Amino acid sequence: DAKTTQPTSMDCAEGRAANLPCNHSTISGNEYVYWYRQIHSQGPQYIIHGLKNNETNEMASLIITEDRKSSTLILPHATLRDTAVYYCIVRVTGNQFYFGTGTSLTVIP
Amino acid sequence: EAQVTQNPRYLITVTGKKLTVTCSQNMNHEYMSWYRQDPGLGLRQIYYSMNVEVTDKGDVPEGYKVSRKEKRNFPLILESPSPNQTSLYFCASSPLMGVGYGYTFGSGTRLTVV
Repeated sequence: DAKTTQPTSMDCAEGRAANLPCNHSTISGNEYVYWYRQIHSQGPQYIIHGLKNNETNEMASLIITEDRKSSTLILPHATLRDTAVYYCIVRVTGNQFYFGTGTSLTVIP
Repeated sequence: EAQVTQNPRYLITVTGKKLTVTCSQNMNHEYMSWYRQDPGLGLRQIYYSMNVEVTDKGDVPEGYKVSRKEKRNFPLILESPSPNQTSLYFCASSPLMGVGYGYTFGSGTRLTVV
């Protein structure tokens, strides 16, 4: 079962890029990598997902290594509202998602 | 607006008194799931459903029941709540799994069992 490893916490200066790493060394070939974030105790919010290629949307960019064993979520210009817990997720078995404990990102003024 | 609606948002109850937390989605999603979130443990899956009348256990199903009689609704039932079920609960839904779609989450239900 593919599971993920993320740093417990990170800081980032406001306006700078936030780079959040994730290791998923046992990921299978057909498993997608998803990123979500959770602000305070709100419901987790979808950010982005990818399979092999790098992806970009209005919120973030996702860089997946060629061997797919790790990925990085990039918030290009972090704001105070980006302070949240960020979860890197891969599908485990069947239709189950393993969330883990995520990375707590603090954006500093 | 596409959304997952949970009710109630907050609930305080006593040990042993049966309760139901409702979850409804308006996106015609096949897949629905319940999670609980506890400090230091992240989100853990309780039950999930791939379609009407199809449900399966997640990682922490003990003490919970679910039903999926209609596609849009996926209630979580605690037949005899205990204090260790005090937690923040999230319902989520998704279209077909395995094609890269993620979840849409509800706003959460904070349950306290005394």
